[in-house]
Amino acid sequence: GESVGLHLPTLSVQEGDNSIINCAYSNSASDYFIWYKQESGKGPQFIIDIRSNMDKRQGQRVTVLLNKTVKHLSLQIAATQPGDSAVYFCAEKGGVAAGNKLTFGGGTRVLVKP
Amino acid sequence: NAGVTQTPKFQVLKTGQSMTLQCAQDMNHNSMYWYRQDPGMGLRLIYYSASEGTTDKGEVPNGYNVSRLNKREFSLRLESAAPSQTSVYFCASSGLARAVFGIQYFGAGTRLSVL
Repeated sequence: GESVGLHLPTLSVQEGDNSIINCAYSNSASDYFIWYKQESGKGPQFIIDIRSNMDKRQGQRVTVLLNKTVKHLSLQIAATQPGDSAVYFCAEKGGVAAGNKLTFGGGTRVLVKP
Repeated sequence: NAGVTQTPKFQVLKTGQSMTLQCAQDMNHNSMYWYRQDPGMGLRLIYYSASEGTTDKGEVPNGYNVSRLNKREFSLRLESAAPSQTSVYFCASSGLARAVFGIQYFGAGTRLSVL
């Protein structure tokens, strides 16, 4: 079936280093992708999105890369800070055939070491 | 600006009891959603409302009902709670700037335990 998944369930990063969180998707018809951040005890918070007609999109300290050839999505966080410690989810929008629904991956926990 | 507000934040029920989870948004969004989040799993869609007056089933609707009371409010009801419904429930909304299922803004969640 269609799925969105993450390769690394936990990522430990030294403060100041860059973080890379990966996400694989299997629905080639997906046309929109979102990254969310969820801190402990809180709801998911929008970070950045990208449409399927783009390969890269940058925000403040974050960059999302989309490789449609291998159905891979990544989130890069520059100069990781303690406040970046959270669980990160990718979500894909499956297109009209999938009812335009969002499917969420299982999440990657990022731990920032001081 | 409160965004998406959910009540209650915590709830403990006995098997067979009923309850309603409340959600309200103040962003004038058309679309609203209910998800559940279980340990080690991503968010799963229970029901959604693309616009006021409409509701549709998501991935895991069994055991739940919803009501889109008005544009601001979207409630989730458990008629006869079961231990399998122990979870964290999130309400979300999205506006006209994106199509339904675009950027969604989430509430803080309701942590429900069914004994």
